[in-house]
Amino acid sequence: NAGVTQTPKFRILKIGQSMTLQCAQDMNHNYMYWYRQDPGMGLKLIYYSVGAGITDKGEVPNGYNVSRSTTEDFPLRLELAAPSQTSVYFCASSYSTSGQGYEQYFGPGTRLTVT
Amino acid sequence: GENVEQHPSTLSVQEGDSAVIKCTYSDSASNYFPWYKQELGKRPQLIIDIRSNVGEKKDQRIAVTLNKTAKHFSLHITETQPEDSAVYFCAASNGGGADGLTFGKGTHLIIQP
Repeated sequence: NAGVTQTPKFRILKIGQSMTLQCAQDMNHNYMYWYRQDPGMGLKLIYYSVGAGITDKGEVPNGYNVSRSTTEDFPLRLELAAPSQTSVYFCASSYSTSGQGYEQYFGPGTRLTVT
Repeated sequence: GENVEQHPSTLSVQEGDSAVIKCTYSDSASNYFPWYKQELGKRPQLIIDIRSNVGEKKDQRIAVTLNKTAKHFSLHITETQPEDSAVYFCAASNGGGADGLTFGKGTHLIIQP
C-alpha cells in the first residue's frame, strides 16, 4: 500500500493564480481531511469528507474548495492564491464511523509558497 | 469552537529522564485526544490516543492521562532517547475524531545527550 499520497511536493504560485493540490489514498478509508500547517504552528482543518459526494467545512475553509467524487481522491482547489495561503498542506485519511474516529494517516505534505 | 492550549513550547531534558507535555481544551464535549509526533520536514504520526471514557493509557515508554473535570490531558515519555527529539502535538475532537481534529501549537522536545 502506498498509503496517502500528495502531489506536488512543492509549488510556487503568483498572487491570483489557481491550482489544485492532489490527494489519494489506497486504504479504502471513508473519511478524508485537508489541514494546513503554518510555520511553528499546529495543523488547522480546512475541509473534510465523510465519503464520496459529501464534504464539510473545517476551521479555515475560506479561499479553498474541495470535491470528493471517489473514495480514493480528495483534491483541494485554491482559486485566487493569496500570500496568506503560504503554508504546508497535509491530506489525511481514516476509517471512521459517525462519532467514532480512528487513526488519521497523513500524506507527506505539499509546501506551497504564494508570492 | 474547540481551543487547545499546549505547554511548554520547548522542552529540553537529559537523555534517560522523563518528559511531560500538557494540554488543555475548552469544549467539554470533546471525547477523543490523540498525540502526534512530527520530525523535521516529515508528516505527523500518531503515537498514542485516549478516549474520554478512559483516564490513562500506556504504550511502552509513552503514557497519556486525561482529567475530564479539569479539561486537561498530558503526555508522559519515560527513559527518553535521542530519537524522541521531535515536535509533539496534542489534539482534541468532539466527534470521536471523525470530524477532524483541533491541534495545539506543538512542543519542541530536545533530548540532551
